[in-house]
Amino acid sequence: GAVVSQHPSWVICKSGTSVKIECRSLDFQATTMFWYRQFPKQSLMLMATSNEGSKATYEQGVEKDKFLINHASLTLSTLTVTSAHPEDSSFYICSARLPLLAGEQYFGPGTRLTVT
Amino acid sequence: KQEVTQIPAALSVPEGENLVLNCSFTDSAIYNLQWFRQDPGKGLTSLLLIQSSQREQTSGRLNASLDKSSGRSTLYIAASQPGDSATYLCAVGAGSARQLTFGSGTQLTVLP
Repeated sequence: GAVVSQHPSWVICKSGTSVKIECRSLDFQATTMFWYRQFPKQSLMLMATSNEGSKATYEQGVEKDKFLINHASLTLSTLTVTSAHPEDSSFYICSARLPLLAGEQYFGPGTRLTVT
Repeated sequence: KQEVTQIPAALSVPEGENLVLNCSFTDSAIYNLQWFRQDPGKGLTSLLLIQSSQREQTSGRLNASLDKSSGRSTLYIAASQPGDSATYLCAVGAGSARQLTFGSGTQLTVLP
């Protein structure tokens, strides 16, 4: 089956610093990737849709200048949390959609971010 | 705005029981519906994908149905096992990029 990886799996950073999270589709090309955030005991909330070679589309309430998304290739999307604060601590999960129009989404294992 | 609801929020059953998890959504203009499993602190594992034109999908002991007009889906798990213990998430795909909207999940515990 399709495999999506994320790196790092967990990261601890100090308040005010920036953190980059990578999402890779390992065995397929993904023109569209998605970034989600999940707080403890809650479900996944879509943050943004990332399209290869174009600007990401952010959901309402998500600051595009704080959460920078780059989808420079068909197998890699990155999420950079800039000037992180403790309230940004969360579980960040990416997914990649198969190129088919109604393609299934495959999810990465997630990245646990803790901002101290 | 699409809203997805899952009932029950938590369920505890003895091993071997058949069980049904429910998912409802408010906007029937969907492209597909996916059921996922999430283990604590882990990512999501896709279980079943139902396209909007389909009524059900089966994989092993799992069967998912979709009634788009009434905005409902069910996930049937036959002969439950302790290894089935996890949170089950329902998500509907809509929009130009088939973005997923997730329900809040059902936390399943299967007791040995």
